[in-house]
This record gives sequence, structure tokens and C-alpha cells, in this order.
Amino acid sequence: GEDVEQSLFLSVREGDSSVINCTYTDSSSTYLYWYKQEPGAGLQLLTYIFSNMDMKQDQRLTVLLNKKDKHLSLRIADTQTGDSAIYFCAEKGTGTASKLTFGTGTRLQVTL
Amino acid sequence: NAGVTQTPKFRILKIGQSMTLQCTQDMNHNYMYWYRQDPGMGLKLIYYSVGAGITDKGEVPNGYNVSRSTTEDFPLRLELAAPSQTSVYFCASSSGKDTDTQYFGPGTRLTVL
Repeated sequence: GEDVEQSLFLSVREGDSSVINCTYTDSSSTYLYWYKQEPGAGLQLLTYIFSNMDMKQDQRLTVLLNKKDKHLSLRIADTQTGDSAIYFCAEKGTGTASKLTFGTGTRLQVTL
Repeated sequence: NAGVTQTPKFRILKIGQSMTLQCTQDMNHNYMYWYRQDPGMGLKLIYYSVGAGITDKGEVPNGYNVSRSTTEDFPLRLELAAPSQTSVYFCASSSGKDTDTQYFGPGTRLTVL
């Protein structure tokens, strides 16, 4: 079945850029998403990218998609302590019910 | 607009007990989902529904049951709780259209002892 992989942990200093990476196996993915989970909370959609796009920018967030290598990244500019959370990438394949396959999540720690 | 709500927030069960996790959405979404999240793991799909009266198994359905009698509600039933069902459970919904973003509830933390 489909598989989505992420590194488990990333530590950055406040004000630096963070880059969180994700690889996936489903070549028929239609949309790819980035979700943020703060402690004790549910998942909140950060941004998404359609599979025929290479890049999407949304304020401090930049998503890059390399469809040939099945690689997705999320760059957070000027990282703040409030960005500390777990970040999940997810891919949506074709077919019914819009089922998503999630990565294991990357815990981002922002230090002063 | 409440979005997706889940009750209870926390629950401790003894082995063999049963319970129902409640999920309600007020966005008139056709699609609803139940996931479980184990420590250090991503979300695994338990069951999903594409509309009232229609449900189907996800990746990890064993030990669970669902029903969808209305568009708004999608309860998850645990029969004969086992320690392996200790997890955080998330309900989500989506419209099934356009970007089809899934909106998540705050979760239910369940411990089976």
C-alpha cells in the first residue's frame, strides 16, 4: 500500500528557517497536505499543494513538490516558538472517500 | 461554527468493557473518518463513511464498529476493550469536493487497563 515517510525530529533556532521533508510512494497522489498538531490538540491544516504544481507560497510557508522523486517539503521562514509542534504530511490518492495516508510526523523544536 | 466535536476528551476503561466515542460535525460534510494515533506514529484510518447509511473499513478496523444514521454523527464503538486499543482517537470530516480538506476534532484520549 501507500507509504509516507518523515524524519522524526528537527530542532531550529528562533528566527532561522525550518525545512521539514516528506517522501511518499503513491504516484497517483492528487493532493498533498501539511497538517500541524500542537500538544493535546487535533490536526490543523496548514497548507496543501495540488500534484501538478511545483511550488506554493503562503506567507511564511513554502511548499515544494518534486513529483519525479516523490518528495515534498515544507519551509517555514523566520521560525517562531509558536511554530513548535508536530508536522504531518499526508497524501491523497485517487478513488473514493478521499482517504489520506499520513506520515509519522516531524516534531519541530524551536529554541531561543 | 463548532466544526468537528468529540466526546469524551479522556476515558479510562477496564479490559473487556465497551464504550462509544461520539463525533459530530456541523459543516454538512458527506465524508467522515475515524483515526487512531499511537505515540510516535502517524494516523491510521479505522473506519470511514461517504454518507448516511454507508460505512467502510479502513486500515485497522478490528475491534471497532461504526454507524452513520445521520449526516452529522459518526459514533465509534469499542466492544471488549483491549490494552492494544489505548490510543488517541480523532474524528474528521470533509466535503468530498475541491481540495477535500479533512477537518479534525480535538481527539479522545483512551486508556485501557
